Amino acid sequence: DAKTTQPPSMDCAEGRAANLPCNHSTISGNEYVYWYRQIHSQGPQYIIHGLKNNETNEMASLIITEDRKSSTLILPHATLRDTAVYYCIVRVARNTGNQFYFGTGTSLTVIP
Amino acid sequence: NAGVTQTPKFQVLKTGQSMTLQCAQDMNHEYMSWYRQDPGMGLRLIHYSVGAGITDQGEVPNGYNVSRSTTEDFPLRLLSAAPSQTSVYFCASTRAGTDTQYFGPGTRLTVL
Repeated sequence: DAKTTQPPSMDCAEGRAANLPCNHSTISGNEYVYWYRQIHSQGPQYIIHGLKNNETNEMASLIITEDRKSSTLILPHATLRDTAVYYCIVRVARNTGNQFYFGTGTSLTVIP
Repeated sequence: NAGVTQTPKFQVLKTGQSMTLQCAQDMNHEYMSWYRQDPGMGLRLIHYSVGAGITDQGEVPNGYNVSRSTTEDFPLRLLSAAPSQTSVYFCASTRAGTDTQYFGPGTRLTVL
């Protein structure tokens, strides 16, 4: 069963904020939400993560709803280099380590 | 630091052949993982390791073996390749106490 669902594609004008939604309605209380992106066919790159509170770093902001069933990744000023596939991921803690469940991702195209 | 390296970059196998995909990291990270990515899909966890001598199965472990004899290396073995194993394989490493995964450049495997 998919742990996250995302729209398959989105466009954003250069310089505008890109808001990427993710649904994770079956998330459990101790499962984190992570966001990674993949440019072309390179290895994925970490962006941000959170549990309950909103988070911000130099790359993006993460807004998690109070019921934790969905979240939104915000790229405040999208550039052409932000064109990539963005993955919303649930991290599940196991006794033998953490497992990351990738969704199918949103292909973001930043338009000049 | 070279980060996470993977060899080979490309490989073509015939059904039934065996081979080992190599993964190495020079960051002294405790955790290492193998994922596969099929066209248009997110990454799925095959096997992972929380330290030398310790491995566990992920979502899609069938047809693959791993071992972790050193901190640096985490090879993935295909015992008898099948066309369904045609995919891009990514290796990742993580420092214990953090959850930021560093991914290698990937190995593109085709099984005929």
